[in-house]
Amino acid sequence: DGGITQSPKYLFRKEGQNVTLSCEQNLNHDAMYWYRQDPGQGLRLIYYSQIVNDFQKGDIAEGYSVSREKKESFPLTVTSAQKNPTAFYLCASTTSGGADTQYFGPGTRLTVL
Amino acid sequence: RKEVEQDPGPFNVPEGATVAFNCTYSNSASQSFFWYRQDCRKEPKLLMSVYSSGNEDGRFTAQLNRASQYISLLIRDSKLSDSATYLCVVNMPGTYKYIFGTGTRLKVLA
Repeated sequence: DGGITQSPKYLFRKEGQNVTLSCEQNLNHDAMYWYRQDPGQGLRLIYYSQIVNDFQKGDIAEGYSVSREKKESFPLTVTSAQKNPTAFYLCASTTSGGADTQYFGPGTRLTVL
Repeated sequence: RKEVEQDPGPFNVPEGATVAFNCTYSNSASQSFFWYRQDCRKEPKLLMSVYSSGNEDGRFTAQLNRASQYISLLIRDSKLSDSATYLCVVNMPGTYKYIFGTGTRLKVLA
C-alpha cells in the first residue's frame, strides 16, 4: 500500500538531547513537509522540500534541521536548541506542491522530560 | 488579520442536524482550497478539495466565495461519527506552502 510512515509513534527525550524523527513515503511525491501541532493550535510549518537535496525553512525552523538525500525520505532532527519541543509532529507530502492535495503520515508525539 | 481564520467552536449539534462552517482567507490570489478532518490525536485526512463551482460528496458540500474570500463546508444529516475537528487549508500563491486554519471542532450529540 502507498503511503507515508513516521516513526516512532511516541518519543520521549531528555532535555539537552537531539532526536531524529523519521518520515518515509512511497507515493513518488516530490514535495515533503514537516509540521508541528500544539494542543488547540493549527499546523505550523517547520521545513519543506520541493525536491531531493533541496529544502527551505518554514515559519518555525529555529531549533530544527532536516535533510533530503532521497526522494522517499525527509528526516527531522529536533535539536537541544529548540526551547519547547514537546508537540505532535506531522510529516506530509504532495505530488508537486502548491495546488495539490497533501497527504499526512500518522505523526510522532514527542515529549521532553 | 490571520491568513486563514476559522471559528474554533465547538459546534454541538444533534444527530441529523445540518451544520455549516466558514473559513476566511486573506490572500485573494490563493487558488487551492481544502477541507481536512482531524480526529483527536490523529493526523489530518483530506475530506474535500474545494472547486470554484462548488462540489458535493454525499452529505458534504463545499463552496468557494472568491468575492468575499471564504470557503464553506456544509454537513447534512450529521452522524455521531462526524464528530471531529475540521481544518481549512489554503495554498500560498506562488509557493509550495499551505496555510492551515486552527480548525473548527464539531460534536454531534445523540
